[in-house]
Amino acid sequence: GDSVTQMEGPVTLSEEAFLTINCTYTATGYPSLFWYVQYPGEGLQLLLKATKADDKGSNKGFEATYRKETTSFHLEKGSVQVSDSAVYFCALKDTEKLIFGTGTRLQVFP
Amino acid sequence: IAGITQAPTSQILAAGRRMTLRCTQDMRHNAMYWYRQDLGLGLRLIHYSNTAGTTGKGEVPDGYSVSRANTDDFPLTLASAVPSQTSVYFCASSAEEGTFYGYTFGSGTRLTVV
Repeated sequence: GDSVTQMEGPVTLSEEAFLTINCTYTATGYPSLFWYVQYPGEGLQLLLKATKADDKGSNKGFEATYRKETTSFHLEKGSVQVSDSAVYFCALKDTEKLIFGTGTRLQVFP
Repeated sequence: IAGITQAPTSQILAAGRRMTLRCTQDMRHNAMYWYRQDLGLGLRLIHYSNTAGTTGKGEVPDGYSVSRANTDDFPLTLASAVPSQTSVYFCASSAEEGTFYGYTFGSGTRLTVV
């Protein structure tokens, strides 16, 4: 069945560092892809999405490009802030529901 | 403010007791979902409902039941709680008709079964 694989965390960075969180997927066809963010004590919030190959989703300085050749949707940000500390989930949409990766915790220190 | 309301926020429950987690949305979304979140396992789908009056089983349905009597409410019931059901439970909803914009999540219910 369809699945999502994320890099294990935690990812620990200093403020203003460059961020990459890897995400690859296995699916039949070309599903829509998503990144969600979960801040401490809160539910998940949609961060960005892409619905077809070569689409780039972007929001709050984060970007991810839908790469069908490598079945990847890596999350990037050029300069992280302490306020970006959270857990990030990659997800794909199959015919009925979202399938989530296990999440990657990002810790940003001043 | 439109969104999803979950109750209670947290609960400590004795094993063997019955418990219903409540979920209400005011966005008129037709689809609703229950996930549990456990460290190292991410989010796992328990049950879902594509529209009022229908429900389906997710990845980990055993020990849980749901009902969808109307569009807004999607309660999750643990008939006889066990310690392995200690988790954080999230309700979500989506509008499956037209463009899919992703899920809206509630703030979660932290359940501890002792």
